[in-house]
Amino acid sequence: DQQVKQNSPSLSVQEGRISILNCDYTNSMFDYFLWYKKYPAEGPTFLISISSIKDKNEDGRFTVFLNKSAKHLSLHIVPSQPGDSAVYFCAASARATDKLIFGTGTRLQVFP
Amino acid sequence: EAQVTQNPRYLITVTGKKLTVTCSQNMNHEYMSWYRQDPGLGLRQIYYSMNVEVTDKGDVPEGYKVSRKEKRNFPLILESPSPNQTSLYFCASSLRGRGEHSTDTQYFGPGTRLTVL
Repeated sequence: DQQVKQNSPSLSVQEGRISILNCDYTNSMFDYFLWYKKYPAEGPTFLISISSIKDKNEDGRFTVFLNKSAKHLSLHIVPSQPGDSAVYFCAASARATDKLIFGTGTRLQVFP
Repeated sequence: EAQVTQNPRYLITVTGKKLTVTCSQNMNHEYMSWYRQDPGLGLRQIYYSMNVEVTDKGDVPEGYKVSRKEKRNFPLILESPSPNQTSLYFCASSLRGRGEHSTDTQYFGPGTRLTVL
């Protein structure tokens, strides 16, 4: 049972345009959400997070939106750059547990 | 430099031959965790540790053991590896566990690619 789902395994975007990566979750107890970025042959690195008390968090070119009623979050990258090409993992955790649940990942390719 | 290190980075072994993958962090983090990454399944947690001598099962603990005798080290032990444990393994650490401190993010090691023949 996949509690965190990333339904798009891949996304291709032109440089300069917006990239939108989506993530859905099923567990209403999740109260903290994170996005990680992973390059080949490296471990995932933290990108941006959002608490369930907020609906938006912004950090430079990266913005995460949270829609609790729809159990959906999205990562917006504006403008997209070739260096953003990587696999992006959505993750969620619940205050009552000590686990971080990851989605299956979306491979983003930004082309010139 | 603050980092999480794993050894070895690549390992090919045979079914049933015990192996250990080491993980070490130099950030004085309390929380450490092991994940495996498989195609189409993302990252799944194997075991985690909230502090020294405190470990607990993640979502896929079968066939694995861990220990946390020192704060900085969290080795992953496969007593009798099988081909379905062929995977990419990541160790991670954070200052504290999720719990009441859910603002902590996890720092990942570079990964260990394990092949069990």
